[in-house]
Amino acid sequence: ILNVEQSPQSLHVQEGDSTNFTCSFPSSNFYALHWYRWETAKSPEALFVMTLNGDEKKKGRISATLNTKEGYSYLYIKGSQPEDSATYLCAFIGTGNQFYFGTGTSLTVIP
Amino acid sequence: DSGVTQTPKHLITATGQRVTLRCSPRSGDLSVYWYQQSLDQGLQFLIQYYNGEERAKGNILERFSAQQFPDLHSELNLSSLELGDSALYFCASSVGGQWGYNEQFFGPGTRLTVL
Repeated sequence: ILNVEQSPQSLHVQEGDSTNFTCSFPSSNFYALHWYRWETAKSPEALFVMTLNGDEKKKGRISATLNTKEGYSYLYIKGSQPEDSATYLCAFIGTGNQFYFGTGTSLTVIP
Repeated sequence: DSGVTQTPKHLITATGQRVTLRCSPRSGDLSVYWYQQSLDQGLQFLIQYYNGEERAKGNILERFSAQQFPDLHSELNLSSLELGDSALYFCASSVGGQWGYNEQFFGPGTRLTVL
């Protein structure tokens, strides 16, 4: 089983703050990286599918970058809102049927 | 609502039994993925089917099997159930079958409790 690490484990920010978190993964056998947003009592919702080194994706106030050579991806949220409160999961997809989720970063945005 | 449906929502059964979980993908999606979320292991990929054919296999136990039917719905069969199989089972679907490159849409999950 591969190590896909996310940090921090949890984060509390004030409404309006910008924040970011990290997903670290093995730099070899990289194929793709997925980011998901997972609210309590719901199912994961896809945010981004990232495939190329240097990829940058954006959806509204949320954006992500990818560095496959050093094995990390950052997720940024600009101007956090209470509705952004959720767990943010990354998933490393490697060659050879490897599909490993990180343990997630739990974000709480305080109004 | 992602458009992916799973039945049943909850299932309670005993050790040694066999159950079938059902998933209907979003209209137009050809791939179905199964995941298991347990307390100690987090979210794990089990298996992917694309247009009726097995496409990728993850950490799926030999006691578990899946299939995708011509109408594209999928079933996950779990047999000789053990206490440790208690988990939330998610199904997801995507349009294409290319490994890892497709955005996946998750269903609401089936919560399985083995007593």
